[in-house]
Amino acid sequence: DTGVSQDPRHKITKRGQNVTFRCDPISEHNRLYWYRQTLGQGPEFLTYFQNEAQLEKSRLLSDRFSAERPKGSFSTLEIQRTEQGDSAMYLCASSLLDRLNYGYTFGSGTRLTVV
Amino acid sequence: QQPVQSPQAVILREGEDAVINCSSSKALYSVHWYRQKHGEAPVFLMILLKGGEQKGHEKISASFNEKKQQSSLYLTASQLSYSGTYFCGTEEKGGGNKLTFGTGTQLKVEL
Repeated sequence: DTGVSQDPRHKITKRGQNVTFRCDPISEHNRLYWYRQTLGQGPEFLTYFQNEAQLEKSRLLSDRFSAERPKGSFSTLEIQRTEQGDSAMYLCASSLLDRLNYGYTFGSGTRLTVV
Repeated sequence: QQPVQSPQAVILREGEDAVINCSSSKALYSVHWYRQKHGEAPVFLMILLKGGEQKGHEKISASFNEKKQQSSLYLTASQLSYSGTYFCGTEEKGGGNKLTFGTGTQLKVEL
């Protein structure tokens, strides 16, 4: 297993365009998380899935953001009508349901720049 | 509200020790610690589940005071490779299995 993969690594888009990011978690991990990180800040929670069910979405997240995890495997995060404030690193992480000894494994992230 | 970490930044000479603190205003189920190097993803260091539990490896360990909702990360005999930004991630009781990350502590180890 090569860890958590995210695609693309970088995305530059014009304001108002839609973008979609993909995350492939570690295959045996049943929890998948999306976080957003801006320069100098800690990762900010967006949403998470257990298998294919979306269990929680941040109240701070606007309706322009949507995420899916069909069949409990890979996940996509879509941002509609992008704004300059959406520019950030979008991190995906996965973990086992059994949290006793396992933390999150993060992907390398997708850096979004809205111009 | 995110956990508050202190100090915000620290510079060490190789071989020196450091303590990074994480304080939350919420009742916690667990605390995670991660290290992030510039331009890279955060890397998991350890998780603490029980009040008073202290875990770690040879030179990096942590403690969790459940009553005070605080955790501390101890780095001893620091090495150049310890440089990076350290984040605590807290899991709130009844808050679902998601982490709220702290404000971060930048650590730089110099020769």
